[in-house]
This record gives sequence, C-alpha cells and structure tokens, in this order.
Amino acid sequence: DAGVIQSPRHEVTEMGQEVTLRCKPISGHNSLFWYRQTMMRGLELLIYFNNNVPIDDSGMPEDRFSAKMPNASFSTLKIQPSEPRDSAVYFCASSLRGGYGYTFGSGTRLTVV
Amino acid sequence: QKEVEQNSGPLSVPEGAIASLNCTYSDRVSQSFFWYRQYSGKSPELIMSIYSNGDKEDGRFTAQLNKASQYVSLLIRDSQPSDSATYLCAVRGSQGNLIFGKGTKLSVKP
Repeated sequence: DAGVIQSPRHEVTEMGQEVTLRCKPISGHNSLFWYRQTMMRGLELLIYFNNNVPIDDSGMPEDRFSAKMPNASFSTLKIQPSEPRDSAVYFCASSLRGGYGYTFGSGTRLTVV
Repeated sequence: QKEVEQNSGPLSVPEGAIASLNCTYSDRVSQSFFWYRQYSGKSPELIMSIYSNGDKEDGRFTAQLNKASQYVSLLIRDSQPSDSATYLCAVRGSQGNLIFGKGTKLSVKP
C-alpha cells in the first residue's frame, strides 16, 4: 500500500499566485481530510469529504480557499490568490468510514513570499 | 466548538524516566481518543487509541482515559531519546473527523 500521496512536497510561490495542492487517498478509504499546521494554531481541519461529497468546510479560512474531490482517488486544495499568511504545512489524510485507519500523507510545505 | 487542550511544553525528561503527557477535551459525548506522534518535519503517526475508561498498554506506552473528568493521558515508560517528538492528542468528531490538540513537545535527554 502506497499510503496517502501528496504533491508537491514543497511549494514556494509569490503573493497573489494560484496554488494547487494534490492528494491521492488510500484505495478503499471513503473519507478524506485536509488539514493545515502552523506553530501558532497547530493542526487545523480545513474541510473533509465522505464518499467524495464535502461534509464540512467551516474550517476553510476564507473564499480564497477551495477544495474538490472529483473522484474517490483524487482531491485538490486550491488557494487563489495566495498570501504570506497562508504559509504552512498542509496535510491530507484519509480513512475508512467512521474515521478508522486514519492515515496522513507526508504533507506539502507551502511558502508564500 | 469542540476543543482539545494540551500543555505545549516543552517537557524534558532524562533517558529511562517516565514521561507523562496530558490532554483534556470539551465535548462530553466524545467516545474515541487517539495519541499521535509527530517527528520534526514529518507527518503525524498513530501510536495509541483508547475508547473505554481505564488504562490501555502497548509496549512502553500506556494510555489512560477518564471520561467523567474528560481527561486523557499518555505515559511513556523507559523514555528513549528516539521518543523525542511532539505528541498530539485527538478526539473523534461525529462525522469521523479527528480534532487535534496543539501538541506537547517531548525532549528525552541522554
């Protein structure tokens, strides 16, 4: 099993640019979660999907953030336009129904300059 | 707003000692609790889960749960320098999502 796969591992971009983060969940997992981790705020849940349907996006900081899950094997998190305060590590995690087997990807370290 | 609180540390213990990590949570109906370990620059990895009041032991790790006090703890016996990491407490939400504390940084000194 390849685990949860995220890309890119590192992203450096200029303020105002669009950033797209990608995630491939573990095959057979039907829940997918996007988190953001900073020193100040810790690990924050941004949005999660059950069976490709967004369930709760109340953690998305503002309209500049959007997430999609077009099929069971792929999800994206987009930031447009990006700002320096978006700099963080973004993790994707997937699990079976009910949260069993919760597994994190390696994360994407985003730096907005 | 469901909350999970942890002492941010750092907690420093000598090698071979017992490290005690604590966590409180706000949602009284929570049923499932987890401890994750996160090394610097890495992703969180699950080390313990606990669902019932009392103690659960796995090797050098013991998780303790007291639902009446809304309190979860993790004990690490015979601490090793390789245990130096940030430990995250998590509570499962109603939709299967995990709500995390900010973590306690543990340093085990040789």
